[in-house]
Amino acid sequence: AQKITQTQPGMFVQEKEAVTLDCTYDTSDQSYGLFWYKQPSSGEMIFLIYQGSYDEQNATEGRYSLNFQKARKSANLVISASQLGDSAMYFCAMSIFSGGYNKLIFGAGTRLAVHP
Amino acid sequence: NAGVTQTPKFQVLKTGQSMTLQCAQDMNHEYMSWYRQDPGMGLRLIHYSVGAGITDQGEVPNGYNVSRSTTEDFPLRLLSAAPSQTSVYFCAVRPRGWSYEQYFGPGTRLTVT
Repeated sequence: AQKITQTQPGMFVQEKEAVTLDCTYDTSDQSYGLFWYKQPSSGEMIFLIYQGSYDEQNATEGRYSLNFQKARKSANLVISASQLGDSAMYFCAMSIFSGGYNKLIFGAGTRLAVHP
Repeated sequence: NAGVTQTPKFQVLKTGQSMTLQCAQDMNHEYMSWYRQDPGMGLRLIHYSVGAGITDQGEVPNGYNVSRSTTEDFPLRLLSAAPSQTSVYFCAVRPRGWSYEQYFGPGTRLTVT
């Protein structure tokens, strides 16, 4: 079954520290993509970072990096130097090709609180 | 994203009423989809479309209808609203083929009483 698991319902971190949000996935497909989205209290979905299943290097986007461990089926998000504005819900998602369409399967999310 | 608009932003319905959630895009992308987000859960795919005239069901299609007569618009219809359809609805747009690009609309918060 295609599934994304985020085991941390909530996390908190001190401002300027790094934090890792966990994500494991389950798929039998060889080709897939892994995403992280941020959802602030205003509700919009903001794309953060993407990792393809064939990408050998971990993706990085500014303060965000994706720790991709294919054998363990994990795709953890690392936020370095946390800022107060990073407080939000974070969703891990997997893109799979099914029925002629790339569908996104989301995890339940992790709520991150950044403390000053 | 500015390229994907959803209306209305908020809606309250009584059980049994019908309504249409609107989604429009100005990016000329072929692929459009509807997701719902319930508390404590991630987004789940309701219906999707790979182009005008072509739609298909996602993970949770029951109670919803869609059609796509133009590239720009992909409305979601609730024929007889139920409290279980209380949720936040997101429209998403992406280009054809394999791409990591996925553009979400701002969402519609629907409450069914």
